[in-house]
Amino acid sequence: DSGVTQTPKHLITATGQRVTLRCSPRSGDLSVYWYQQSLDQGLQFLIQYYNGEERAKGNILERFSAQQFPDLHSELNLSSLELGDSALYFCASSDPFGQVEVNTIYFGEGSWLTVV
Amino acid sequence: DAKTTQPTSMDCAEGRAANLPCNHSTISGNEYVYWYRQIHSQGPQYIIHGLKNNETNEMASLIITEDRKSSTLILPHATLRDTAVYYCIVRVKLNQGGKLIFGQGTELSVKP
Repeated sequence: DSGVTQTPKHLITATGQRVTLRCSPRSGDLSVYWYQQSLDQGLQFLIQYYNGEERAKGNILERFSAQQFPDLHSELNLSSLELGDSALYFCASSDPFGQVEVNTIYFGEGSWLTVV
Repeated sequence: DAKTTQPTSMDCAEGRAANLPCNHSTISGNEYVYWYRQIHSQGPQYIIHGLKNNETNEMASLIITEDRKSSTLILPHATLRDTAVYYCIVRVKLNQGGKLIFGQGTELSVKP
């Protein structure tokens, strides 16, 4: 158990809909990362937040957005869903108590999204 | 970001050492080498990381060449549960976010 909690574990929704994926980082971790894993793309970095602020951005679509709340949990919002958005979405966390020199990133078990 | 090159797949006999190579010839002086593995769509699992010196923990050993252009992950006594995709990653500098950029990895099959 990595200590990173993601909900829901599985989600099926229709094209055009909007969903929210939730992530609770490890206790005290200030950074949250979101990754997308689809069959043909591998693990793709989407976005990182550090203590509520966006820190790094990857190939995140404009239809997707994320935020990190004061209690450090994060949400990934996916809107106008398309069939190609079907994937496993991972959240990860790091930087316990702001110790950023050398830190390990721990991953949750992912949220399976199926768009039909 | 420094790129890594790994073999697409490898086999290993159960109980033997698994040696997984990785090339990272464009690594910068203060970039770390990290290894993760992913077992069948589970969340990636941290294994080990290093900068210059060889490292060992309860899971594996990491050997980094003196010029830091390549490294080898060693699983000393591979078991069937070590069957997974292994990712060698050069960690983006922490002042650039410190995110992990995954490549395609090596699919390790441990066979009885």
